[in-house]
Amino acid sequence: KQEVTQIPAALSVPEGENLVLNCSFTDSAIYNLQWFRQDPGKGLTSLLLIQSSQREQTSGRLNASLDKSSGRSTLYIAASQPGDSATYLCAVSKNTGTASKLTFGTGTRLQVTL
Amino acid sequence: DGGITQSPKYLFRKEGQNVTLSCEQNLNHDAMYWYRQDPGQGLRLIYYSQIVNDFQKGDIAEGYSVSREKKESFPLTVTSAQKNPTAFYLCAARADYSNQPQHFGDGTRLSIL
Repeated sequence: KQEVTQIPAALSVPEGENLVLNCSFTDSAIYNLQWFRQDPGKGLTSLLLIQSSQREQTSGRLNASLDKSSGRSTLYIAASQPGDSATYLCAVSKNTGTASKLTFGTGTRLQVTL
Repeated sequence: DGGITQSPKYLFRKEGQNVTLSCEQNLNHDAMYWYRQDPGQGLRLIYYSQIVNDFQKGDIAEGYSVSREKKESFPLTVTSAQKNPTAFYLCAARADYSNQPQHFGDGTRLSIL
């Protein structure tokens, strides 16, 4: 059974710092990995999707890497801003036809302080 | 706007009562999903549907039921058999081709009266 772990569970950094969030998974036979952002009381917003054949994806100040063989992914946030404060979740999929079910980690709660 | 609409935002259930959570999407996505989120836990899959008139149980389907009569709608019923229904429920949809992300609604928070 796939298990996804995110460390740390919570993180507080001052504005402007670069930071890294970690995600590890136990079964390397994944189809893709997604990073999501969740604001309090809201749904999830997809940030980046990395296919199993890729090593990284970038979007603006965000860069996600994937090392499938070691079961690890990182989300790098450059020049953090207070608006980045949210919970960040990673999820891996093992493709089952079109359904592509996701297994989620428990998230890292990020606070960026002024 | 294109997206996923969940209603109501807050819902209260009495003992022995069934309640239905609505999920509507105008993204024309084939696959739809229901997740449950509890504090300190990751999202857990309740049911999913790949196509109209077809759905499959997820990891925690007991006490829940769904239907998929239309492509744009995937309602979830929380039955009286679900003994611990208090949670945040999230609906998602995904396009029917490989390596597309799941898109989520804003959720429904269900509480027990």
